[in-house]
Amino acid sequence: AQTVTQSQPEMSVQEAETVTLSCTYDTSESDYYLFWYKQPPSRQMILVIRQEAYKQQNATENRFSVNFQKAAKSFSLKISDSQLGDAAMYFCAYRSAFNAGGTSYGKLTFGQGTILTVHP
Amino acid sequence: DAEITQSPRHKITETGRQVTLACHQTWNHNNMFWYRQDLGHGLRLIHYSYGVQDTNKGEVSDGYSVSRSNTEDLPLTLESAASSQTSVYFCASSAGMNTEAFFGQGTRLTVV
Repeated sequence: AQTVTQSQPEMSVQEAETVTLSCTYDTSESDYYLFWYKQPPSRQMILVIRQEAYKQQNATENRFSVNFQKAAKSFSLKISDSQLGDAAMYFCAYRSAFNAGGTSYGKLTFGQGTILTVHP
Repeated sequence: DAEITQSPRHKITETGRQVTLACHQTWNHNNMFWYRQDLGHGLRLIHYSYGVQDTNKGEVSDGYSVSRSNTEDLPLTLESAASSQTSVYFCASSAGMNTEAFFGQGTRLTVV
């Protein structure tokens, strides 16, 4: 079974600064997807960024980028030019990329979450 | 616009009562999932379904059941609510094997 670990329960950053959230995972699969989700106080789960394991290039979405280290099984999220609206709980998640016997695909395995505070 | 909705948004129930949380999606997605969110654990998978009449147990399925009689709905039932089932519950759906999942807005359930 896959596991996802976020070792930083809380992080803080000054507005306009850069912050990096850490995530490590464990899997025996060679093909998979990794995600970062944002959960603001409204509880809505918002997909921030997605990385496909077979792609070596790190994904980028505006101010959000990832550092994907497949061999090290590490998937960190960098938020540049932090804004007050970035304050939220962030979850790292893993998903298998194939149907292993018809029972594996689509399911997400989440990390414990990191609460990000942005100071003005 | 297509969407996924959960009801109710908040519920308080008593220990031992049966509770059903509703999840309805209008995307015609085959895949539907129920997760629970607890501090220090993130979201954990309870049950999931890949289509009508298909249901599967997830990581934390004890005390929960689901049924899938149509494409749009996957209700989650707590047979006999326990205080350990106090949590925030999320429903999600996706179209196929490698497609993005969409989440409902969650149901906060308190068992007293």
